[in-house]
Amino acid sequence: DGGITQSPKYLFRKEGQNVTLSCEQNLNHDAMYWYRQDPGQGLRLIYYSQIVNDFQKGDIAEGYSVSREKKESFPLTVTSAQKNPTAFYLCASSIRGQRTSTDTQYFGPGTRLTVL
Amino acid sequence: AQSVAQPEDQVNVAEGNPLTVKCTYSVSGNPYLFWYVQYPNRGLQFLLKYITGDNLVKGSYGFEAEFNKSQTSFHLKKPSALVSDSALYFCAVRDPGLTGGGNKLTFGTGTQLKVEL
Repeated sequence: DGGITQSPKYLFRKEGQNVTLSCEQNLNHDAMYWYRQDPGQGLRLIYYSQIVNDFQKGDIAEGYSVSREKKESFPLTVTSAQKNPTAFYLCASSIRGQRTSTDTQYFGPGTRLTVL
Repeated sequence: AQSVAQPEDQVNVAEGNPLTVKCTYSVSGNPYLFWYVQYPNRGLQFLLKYITGDNLVKGSYGFEAEFNKSQTSFHLKKPSALVSDSALYFCAVRDPGLTGGGNKLTFGTGTQLKVEL
């Protein structure tokens, strides 16, 4: 898990509420990522950011939003528009974010979100 | 496009025996390949990666993987399994020849490894 922290570890939400998941890294990495993990489906990319003040949609961005105002932080908001938000959410970072980069992505410990 | 397949949902092996977790990939050019391990309710831990060079890559905890371009495979191996190796293993691929998409990885669906005494 290294220098990537995610909070909270567990989060419960009522339907219709927005919630924000925190991701902080002290690795001085330029790039950060949000993945969603569901049983039997592996990891799917929600959003990624190659540099501060820039971010791009991943494969399943609908119902989610992000910001990247600081290099260390990449919070994810799960909005009420996300129809099936119950999942395990993983944040990752890498030194660089270019496609040709050989850098490894390192992961945080995850946040388990449950909608009640 | 880039894709990766892990054909086995679960692999069972006895402690002390060799283990193999299979991964095949599909990319248009030369792939970057990665293996990660996940313990219950934890994040993914990086094991090893292949970028270029020697087809046999050595990683953490005694794991290794062999890149086979003709078979488009990157199987994870360990000569002698431990009970503590029991976990969920993910293979991931990136095609550096594609345009856009940043440092995007595509993950397999995971293989549950169970090592028994």
